[in-house]
Amino acid sequence: QSALTQPPSASGSPGQSVTISCTGTSSDVGGYNYVSWYQQHPGKAPKVMIYEVSKRPSGVPDRFSGSKSDNTASLTVSGLQAEDEADYYCSSYAGTNYLGVFGGGTKLTVL
Amino acid sequence: EVQLVQSGAEVKKPGESLKISCKASGYTFTTSWIGWVRQMPGKGLEWMAIIYPGDSDTRYSPSFQGQVTISADKSISTAYLQWSSLKASDTAMYYCARPYVTGWVDYWGQGTLVTVSS
Repeated sequence: QSALTQPPSASGSPGQSVTISCTGTSSDVGGYNYVSWYQQHPGKAPKVMIYEVSKRPSGVPDRFSGSKSDNTASLTVSGLQAEDEADYYCSSYAGTNYLGVFGGGTKLTVL
Repeated sequence: EVQLVQSGAEVKKPGESLKISCKASGYTFTTSWIGWVRQMPGKGLEWMAIIYPGDSDTRYSPSFQGQVTISADKSISTAYLQWSSLKASDTAMYYCARPYVTGWVDYWGQGTLVTVSS
């Protein structure tokens, strides 16, 4: 399994929207509606923001949304806030071994 | 409340063995997968292995097969990750994580930093 492809960095000003892409193959992202997104602040454990492409766990602001088209998934953060500055990782189910595959991560900077 | 509490930071020399732990609470340990994710310094997340404590079914990422061993003790709701001979390249943060069968993780441990240096 190869890692999913994410841009290394993204940025936006407070109040703006930013979209982070995550590209895989038909064996992972394109083959299942099981893409998840994680936020990781420095020195902290990851936190799930989106699961199963577009579902938000309880407590995650609705400023975070997810979508998917073919082999590419996207995370959109609307109304950027300073606390959104973090690393974001996508992940996808990739088959019967139940071990997902992660993307390389995107560092989101709030300007 | 679900909690995954990991053992503390370790400093080891190359060639030494190590076993780190993750104690689970707040849910039925035997009916959920649990596993380990590696994060090397300044790098991304990588799944290493998962185990289903109910029947000890284990799955390894090809990159880690033969390099580490995952295990679980149902009697104390604890998962383990062990190395028989550490290398400097094993220096990393290791997270315990509870994945659904569809791959997403709803709970993470706080992380265990392993430093391997001569």
